[in-house]
Amino acid sequence: AQSVTQLDSQVPVFEEAPVELRCNYSSSVSVYLFWYVQYPNQGLQLLLKYLSGSTLVESINGFEAEFNKSQTSFHLRKPSVHISDTAEYFCAVKGNQGGKLIFGQGTELSVKP
Amino acid sequence: DTGVSQDPRHKITKRGQNVTFRCDPISEHNRLYWYRQTLGQGPEFLTYFQNEAQLEKSRLLSDRFSAERPKGSFSTLEIQRTEQGDSAMYLCASSDGGSPLHFGNGTRLTVT
Repeated sequence: AQSVTQLDSQVPVFEEAPVELRCNYSSSVSVYLFWYVQYPNQGLQLLLKYLSGSTLVESINGFEAEFNKSQTSFHLRKPSVHISDTAEYFCAVKGNQGGKLIFGQGTELSVKP
Repeated sequence: DTGVSQDPRHKITKRGQNVTFRCDPISEHNRLYWYRQTLGQGPEFLTYFQNEAQLEKSRLLSDRFSAERPKGSFSTLEIQRTEQGDSAMYLCASSDGGSPLHFGNGTRLTVT
């Protein structure tokens, strides 16, 4: 069965500092991985995805994640965060049936001025 | 806007009452998913449809929960005899099978 572990429930950082949100997965099938972002009282928005090919994937707003098969990880990074990046971030792995996603418990990123 | 639409956004109900939520997926998407999210947790899978067929149900979906997608378009999620433990955000998502899931803004249920 697939599972996702997000190692940090809260990550406070100062504006313009780098950040890494950690994600480890467990899967016995082909791995498709995702990061979603959730702002207060809203649904989840896709940030980036790994399906195949290059192990480094990037989003349009400066985030990147690297698929590491040997470490079974898919950590999310940004070299310089903004106040507007404050949100909840969820890592997810695609299940082996029906395309459903299995989510981690989330990491609350809090960017302080 | 052609995203996933959920109605209502908020619902407050008394324990024991029945509630129904609606989800309108992106029109060309044949797959529709329901998730439940409680405070401080990630979304938990409840059920999914391919067209009008309900293909998988989580063990989280007790007998008090039922979901339908009668014409393969919109879907409803009904909770009968609500309990305080049902208080959560109920999220709907859709995809065409090859795309990532697109989520709606959710329905927040509060059971008093």
